[in-house]
Amino acid sequence: GAGVSQSPSNKVTEKGKDVELRCDPISGHTALYWYRQRLGQGLEFLIYFQGNSAPDKSGLPSDRFSAERTGESVSTLTIQRTQQEDSAVYLCASSLAGRGPPHNEQFFGPGTRLTVL
Amino acid sequence: SQQGEEDPQALSIQEGENATMNCSYKTSINNLQWYRQNSGRGLVHLILIRSNEREKHSGRLRVTLDTSKKSSSLLITASRAADTASYFCATAFLRGGANNLFFGTGTRLTVIP
Repeated sequence: GAGVSQSPSNKVTEKGKDVELRCDPISGHTALYWYRQRLGQGLEFLIYFQGNSAPDKSGLPSDRFSAERTGESVSTLTIQRTQQEDSAVYLCASSLAGRGPPHNEQFFGPGTRLTVL
Repeated sequence: SQQGEEDPQALSIQEGENATMNCSYKTSINNLQWYRQNSGRGLVHLILIRSNEREKHSGRLRVTLDTSKKSSSLLITASRAADTASYFCATAFLRGGANNLFFGTGTRLTVIP
């Protein structure tokens, strides 16, 4: 079956512009996560959606970052007024609902590589 | 920070040798997971070990967990060139039902044919 998909795969933008990244989770996965991976570093949690619950936004680095999710499907991560330090790979993951294995396994998309000039 | 740390940062071995990667973390966890990332690709889940487990096997993978030392190790036996990738440990907490993961910085493994 189809895995998690993300678009675009690459995005180059100028400092100060807004960008929108898209994630299509695996069908039936109610949990969706966004992570950021800077060059040579581990992943950094950004935001988590679970069904109709209020999202966990505790990882968003600033108010320039926001994300939305339509029901239990597509999610978009928006970065406003991009800065050079926003350059990174943005990864989306989805998982089944609930606690404990197998629900803990997250399935990752290929990521969007964002370059801010 | 709750983020884990892997060591070594980079490891280069000959095909057929065993590769051992270590991960340390700072707070109590529900489970610890290892992921693999090939260059330019998304992460792939390898194995999950719960906080009440000490060792787990999956094919050529062996994971240990020592909660008293807050550390885990991933052993890949009889390595192959195709094992070349970055390996990340990730810790999971159950805070309000969230399953978000906290990742380490990764170990870059190179297996030389």
